[in-house]
Amino acid sequence: DAKTTQPPSMDCAEGRAANLPCNHSTISGNEYVYWYRQIHSQGPQYIIHGLKNNETNEMASLIITEDRKSSTLILPHATLRDTAVYYCIARNQGGKLIFGQGTELSVKP
Amino acid sequence: KAGVTQTPRYLIKTRGQQVTLSCSPISGHRSVSWYQQTPGQGLQFLFEYFSETQRNKGNFPGRFSGRQFSNSRSEMNVSTLELGDSALYLCASSPSTGTAYEQYFGPGTRLTVT
Repeated sequence: DAKTTQPPSMDCAEGRAANLPCNHSTISGNEYVYWYRQIHSQGPQYIIHGLKNNETNEMASLIITEDRKSSTLILPHATLRDTAVYYCIARNQGGKLIFGQGTELSVKP
Repeated sequence: KAGVTQTPRYLIKTRGQQVTLSCSPISGHRSVSWYQQTPGQGLQFLFEYFSETQRNKGNFPGRFSGRQFSNSRSEMNVSTLELGDSALYLCASSPSTGTAYEQYFGPGTRLTVT
């Protein structure tokens, strides 16, 4: 799996969009970009994933650059419950997710 | 659909003992993966089972083993427990194996070894 780089922490005001960046400059053509988040002591929660195209679901949007070397997870209207550690994963091995240190997002009132 | 369930949720064992943890995947999911989470090492992959066969294995000693049953339920076993095995053990299920299939995690089993 390609190495991913994320900022260790970010703040966001409640109600505003949270834009979480991820760098995966060594990603290969068959590696999907996955995003998970984990609230303290709970199991990680799947958010979204994509290969080449931008993706949107009820939780978030995933924007992948054309060269696929970076991506951005967008939470359109952050709430206090979105405070969590967010993990970006470039995945090319079937059953295996390799988690890095992630970004600790703090949503503030 | 019900989510991934793990039992027990909390467990306290003594060094040298063995432990078995159980995971019931989401209905219809055939792949089950196990992870260990510790403050020092973060989330680490243990192994994946699909159709009762181990498909992938992480870098853990042979004391860590698992199996999957025909109904896709899975168990993992840790023998000769060490203090360093204290961790949150997470199970994740997926419809199938392969990079396109997202994994859904259970709440975890918190194991404390004394």
